[in-house]
Amino acid sequence: GIQVEQSPPDLILQEGANSTLRCNFSDSVNNLQWFHQNPWGQLINLFYIPSGTKQNGRLSATTVATERYSLLYISSSQTTDSGVYFCAARGQGAQKLVFGQGTRLTINP
Amino acid sequence: DGGITQSPKYLFRKEGQNVTLSCEQNLNHDAMYWYRQDPGQGLRLIYYSQIVNDFQKGDIAEGYSVSREKKESFPLTVTSAQKNPTAFYLCASRRPGLASNEQFFGPGTRLTVL
Repeated sequence: GIQVEQSPPDLILQEGANSTLRCNFSDSVNNLQWFHQNPWGQLINLFYIPSGTKQNGRLSATTVATERYSLLYISSSQTTDSGVYFCAARGQGAQKLVFGQGTRLTINP
Repeated sequence: DGGITQSPKYLFRKEGQNVTLSCEQNLNHDAMYWYRQDPGQGLRLIYYSQIVNDFQKGDIAEGYSVSREKKESFPLTVTSAQKNPTAFYLCASRRPGLASNEQFFGPGTRLTVL
């Protein structure tokens, strides 16, 4: 089945910095999602982005399906952006959403 | 208010006991999923169901069982055969189709075996 890899595993930044999180996937996808896991464990949907570019406030995401990667950009980081960011992908014709291991982002004041 | 609810939020169980985790959705989604998350790890799929009265094993189904008698409900039973049941359990749903392939998650149940 499809494999999903995220990098870096950990990222520590100062408040106000910009960050880029990467997600590589091993096969064609019909679903690519980015989530933020909050301190209580809930997964918050950030983007549904099997291809193209989307923006939502300080966050944006780009998926280049032909090259099998997706990027999540966070600009002007705030301490509330801290947490774990997951990328998940579903291969063409598959039923299962496969998760990467996550990137733990820490924003220091 | 549309969404996915899971109960209880925290659950404590003695070794050797079966326990059932509840997952309900009012999003009219056909497909429902159960995932397990261990500390510092990603999510792993336990079971999924694409339609009422049908379900399939995921990657780590051993020691778990499910039922799907209603579209809205997909309860997960953690049996005494599950060797390391202490974990965070997340339920999800989606409405398969070209226009809406996005998956949504409930708030989770934290299970601790004493």
